[in-house]
Amino acid sequence: AQKVTQAQTEISVVEKEDVTLDCVYETRDTTYYLFWYKQPPSGELVFLIRRNSFDEQNEISGRYSWNFQKSTSSFNFTITASQVVDSAVYFCALRGLTQGGSEKLVFGKGTKLTVNP
Amino acid sequence: EPEVTQTPSHQVTQMGQEVILRCVPISNHLYFYWYRQILGQKVEFLVSFYNNEISEKSEIFDDQFSVERPDGSNFTLKIRSTKLEDSAMYFCASRGGTRSPNEQFFGPGTRLTVL
Repeated sequence: AQKVTQAQTEISVVEKEDVTLDCVYETRDTTYYLFWYKQPPSGELVFLIRRNSFDEQNEISGRYSWNFQKSTSSFNFTITASQVVDSAVYFCALRGLTQGGSEKLVFGKGTKLTVNP
Repeated sequence: EPEVTQTPSHQVTQMGQEVILRCVPISNHLYFYWYRQILGQKVEFLVSFYNNEISEKSEIFDDQFSVERPDGSNFTLKIRSTKLEDSAMYFCASRGGTRSPNEQFFGPGTRLTVL
């Protein structure tokens, strides 16, 4: 079975602090995708990043960076110099890539990030 | 930038009534999904749809639920006889475009309130 664990339920930081959101996953698939989505207070789900299991290169996009470590089954997300607009719930998700397998995204419970001015 | 749209944004209904939630996926996408999120909880998969048939469904998606793609653009989720526990945010998603074939893009959601 596939499972995504986001152990941090809520995090509160002050603007300009760096913050890391943890994500640990379980899967029996040998190839899979990992995702991060942002859910701002307005409620929509905004796609942030997809990472293939066979590509362990870390990625940076502006103030966002992602650290994928297959050895520890983790896909952590760091926001550098956080801003108030980063306040949202962040979801990590997993999708297996077995031939003919499940299409569904399995989500973690989310981490609510509050960035205070 | 094309996006998934959903209507209505908020639906209030009485228990036992039928509701239809509507979605317009991104136009060149081939795979369609419904997810739901009970308030304060995680997003849960309901059903996936491809080539005019259900390809996968979760245990939540029982006989009270159905999906349909009645024309080339709409994708609907019907709940036949709503229960209180159906109150949730329902998200439609689609994928399969040439630019980002593996990402599921989500609509803004329909908040369903069952009284």
